[in-house]
Amino acid sequence: GAVVSQHPSRVICKSGTSVKIECRSLDFQATTMFWYRQFPKQSLMLMATSNEGSKATYEQGVEKDKFLINHASLTLSTLTVTSAHPEDSSFYICSARAGEAFFGQGTRLTVV
Amino acid sequence: AQSVTQLGSHVSVSEGALVLLRCNYSSSVPPYLFWYVQYPNQGLQLLLKYTTGATLVKGINGFEAEFKKSETSFHLTKPSAHMSDAAEYFCAVSQRTGRRALTFGSGTRLQVQP
Repeated sequence: GAVVSQHPSRVICKSGTSVKIECRSLDFQATTMFWYRQFPKQSLMLMATSNEGSKATYEQGVEKDKFLINHASLTLSTLTVTSAHPEDSSFYICSARAGEAFFGQGTRLTVV
Repeated sequence: AQSVTQLGSHVSVSEGALVLLRCNYSSSVPPYLFWYVQYPNQGLQLLLKYTTGATLVKGINGFEAEFKKSETSFHLTKPSAHMSDAAEYFCAVSQRTGRRALTFGSGTRLQVQP
């Protein structure tokens, strides 16, 4: 099946700094990618839909100025957590469609 | 709007026993239905999906699910559990048109006892 690569798999950062997470579709082009957040022992919650060449669509309650999404090419979407705080610590997962949805490996973000 | 309810956050079975994970959905129009498996600190892997046609869907690793429109259910089953089946399982739905973002259930952690 299609491959979605997410990087980094783990990151630890200090409060107040920014962290960038990359999501790449390796063998297909994706005009739309999705970013999810998963709290420990909970389900995945859709944060935003990343659209190539245009602004992302954010779900209700998600701060667009805090979670910056850039979808500059058909194979790359990035999520930047700005001015990170401990409550932003979570597991972030991206997905892209090649017919069905394929998921990245996820990024475990820990803010200390 | 659509939603997914997974009954039972934890299910424990013995190796070789039947696995049954329950999923009910709510949607204003017939959705697509999915089951995903997640191993610790990893992304999601698609087990199976229902889009159209035969209501009994077979997936990978011996899993299958049956779409029952009258019951708005899509329960996941496997006749004989294996130790390697221990993981978190998510039921999900998406619309048939538009951006088709997935809405996930709360997940069910499957434990397999030796």
